[in-house]
Amino acid sequence: GEDVEQSLFLSVREGDSSVINCTYTDSSSTYLYWYKQEPGAGLQLLTYIFSNMDMKQDQRLTVLLNKKDKHLSLRIADTQTGDSAIYFCAEKVGGGSQGNLIFGKGTKLSVKP
Amino acid sequence: GAVVSQHPSRVICKSGTSVKIECRSLDFQATTMFWYRQFPKQSLMLMATSNEGSKATYEQGVEKDKFLINHASLTLSTLTVTSAHPEDSSFYICSARDRGSYYNEQFFGPGTRLTVL
Repeated sequence: GEDVEQSLFLSVREGDSSVINCTYTDSSSTYLYWYKQEPGAGLQLLTYIFSNMDMKQDQRLTVLLNKKDKHLSLRIADTQTGDSAIYFCAEKVGGGSQGNLIFGKGTKLSVKP
Repeated sequence: GAVVSQHPSRVICKSGTSVKIECRSLDFQATTMFWYRQFPKQSLMLMATSNEGSKATYEQGVEKDKFLINHASLTLSTLTVTSAHPEDSSFYICSARDRGSYYNEQFFGPGTRLTVL
């Protein structure tokens, strides 16, 4: 079945870059997403990438996709304390306007001043 | 941008009572809404997919008679936890798919913290 794996924790210093990694199993995934969840809150869509792309950049965020290895990463440049949160990787399974999201367990990013 | 609201944000109820949680898409139409449950320090577990005007599709292991879902309009879905028990205490999150979105992304509500005493 579909599965999304992430490391559970990442700790960085303020100003450094953070790289959060994710692997997925469904090779037919069309979209892959990164969500951010702050304590006690819902999920905020950060960015997404279409499966025929290998990179997408949006301000401080860079998403890299290696479709051959089914590996997705999120790089946050100049990490700030406000970036401390749980980051979920998700793949969309099922095509067209239907399909569900399969989430990883989330990576808790801690940013030290 | 696309905003999804949930109400209430927190609810505490006694065991045996029913609780209704609302999920609204505020500035877009959502033909499909999703209900998730999140346990502490864990990922989101999809409970059911709700399509406007039709019956919800429940994931395996989710009791449809216990978690009643109604999606009566393009902007509102409700989840009713019937005869709640302490093990139903959890963080419930809804999401809505923007019908007009090219990428079919889901937008999430802020979540509802349910505590059953």
